[in-house]
Amino acid sequence: GAGVSQSPSNKVTEKGKDVELRCDPISGHTALYWYRQSLGQGLEFLIYFQGNSAPDKSGLPSDRFSAERTGGSVSTLTIQRTQQEDSAVYLCASSLGLAGEGAWNEQFFGPGTRLTVL
Amino acid sequence: RKEVEQDPGPFNVPEGATVAFNCTYSNSASQSFFWYRQDCRKEPKLLMSVYSSGNEDGRFTAQLNRASQYISLLIRDSKLSDSATYLCVVNTNSGYSTLTFGKGTMLLVSP
Repeated sequence: GAGVSQSPSNKVTEKGKDVELRCDPISGHTALYWYRQSLGQGLEFLIYFQGNSAPDKSGLPSDRFSAERTGGSVSTLTIQRTQQEDSAVYLCASSLGLAGEGAWNEQFFGPGTRLTVL
Repeated sequence: RKEVEQDPGPFNVPEGATVAFNCTYSNSASQSFFWYRQDCRKEPKLLMSVYSSGNEDGRFTAQLNRASQYISLLIRDSKLSDSATYLCVVNTNSGYSTLTFGKGTMLLVSP
């Protein structure tokens, strides 16, 4: 079946512009995550959506970053007034989102969007 | 102290070698542990989960020491195709999974 898809695959923008990154999770996955990976760095958690619950925004680095998930499926990550330090690969992942003590839900990653801010 | 620490490498080994990666985590409340593999310019993919009793999947063996907050991955009989970055991953929340990733250890297997 289809995996997680993201668009665009590459985005080059000028400092100060706004950008929108899109993620289509695997059908039936209720949990959706955004991470970013800067050059030579590990994956940094940004935000997490689970069903209709309020998202966990604890990883967003500043108020220039926001994300929404419409209809429990597609998600958009928006970065306003982009800065050069925002340049990174933005990865989206989805999982089944099963609840319960010790429940493990494998996260499946999309190919990422490589953002370059000039 | 970083939440998940790994030796960044790179580890350069010849084909057929055995190589071990180590990882430490800082949060003693961590619940689940994993190794992910990330090929160059690709997304991470789950390699294997790590269980308290240790587990093996073919040439790969994972170990967990909760007392020392230490995780390891052993790769035997290395193949060229094993060249990748190996990410140590920890889930601190029970139930819903928010993962904390190490920066990864790069492995280069040469002929």
